[in-house]
Amino acid sequence: QVQLVESGGGVVQPGRSLRVSCAASGFTFNTYAMHWVRQAPGKGLEWVAVISFDGNNKYYADSVKGRFTISRDNSENTVYLQMNSLTAEDTGVYHCARSSRWLQLGADLWGRGTLVTVSS
Amino acid sequence: QSVLTQPPSVSAAPGQKVTISCSGSNSNIENNYVSWYQQLPGTAPKLLIYDNNKRPSGVPDRFSGSKSGTSATLGITGLQTGDEADYYCGTWDSSLSAGVFGGGTKVTVL
Repeated sequence: QVQLVESGGGVVQPGRSLRVSCAASGFTFNTYAMHWVRQAPGKGLEWVAVISFDGNNKYYADSVKGRFTISRDNSENTVYLQMNSLTAEDTGVYHCARSSRWLQLGADLWGRGTLVTVSS
Repeated sequence: QSVLTQPPSVSAAPGQKVTISCSGSNSNIENNYVSWYQQLPGTAPKLLIYDNNKRPSGVPDRFSGSKSGTSATLGITGLQTGDEADYYCGTWDSSLSAGVFGGGTKVTVL
């Protein structure tokens, strides 16, 4: 079954760290760029980061640059988002998504997301 | 404040047509492919249109996309109650080196 399944969300205190994961199955993972996109409660989609098919190239939204790190393990068909120095503004559902083209946003498969809540 | 500008809401009666605009700039829409996503309440976004005007298999031809200069448009004909959802445009911004989305448009079927 072709799918993306996120995990690792939860409640975390401001200033702390959290790592979320996205497990891919049913397709050739190492031929796709992978994105993280988040959605704050009641708000729209916000692009967070992208990693190339081989993991050698990465880009980040200004709002997370220097705090978040995207990585992937093609042997495990998994992409990660390490989130440090979290603030309340980072609260939301984090979706991973795949795209077949580098530096184009057309994402044809999305996961259901994992909820991250930053609160004391 | 989103880089891409969409109207907050549009509405029409069943069977009618709606269009959703997405306005950007030469660093995003004009020089990159635009995609459109449908998000039903409580679900993940679903790709409706990619490469400005292409539909993935399984997406009805009631949905169409177009692009001209720094703007893109999503059209929905034969509106159905099941089309009530939030719709987002998205593209790459070459100046920001980042993905960008519009703020979303809520479609209401009257």
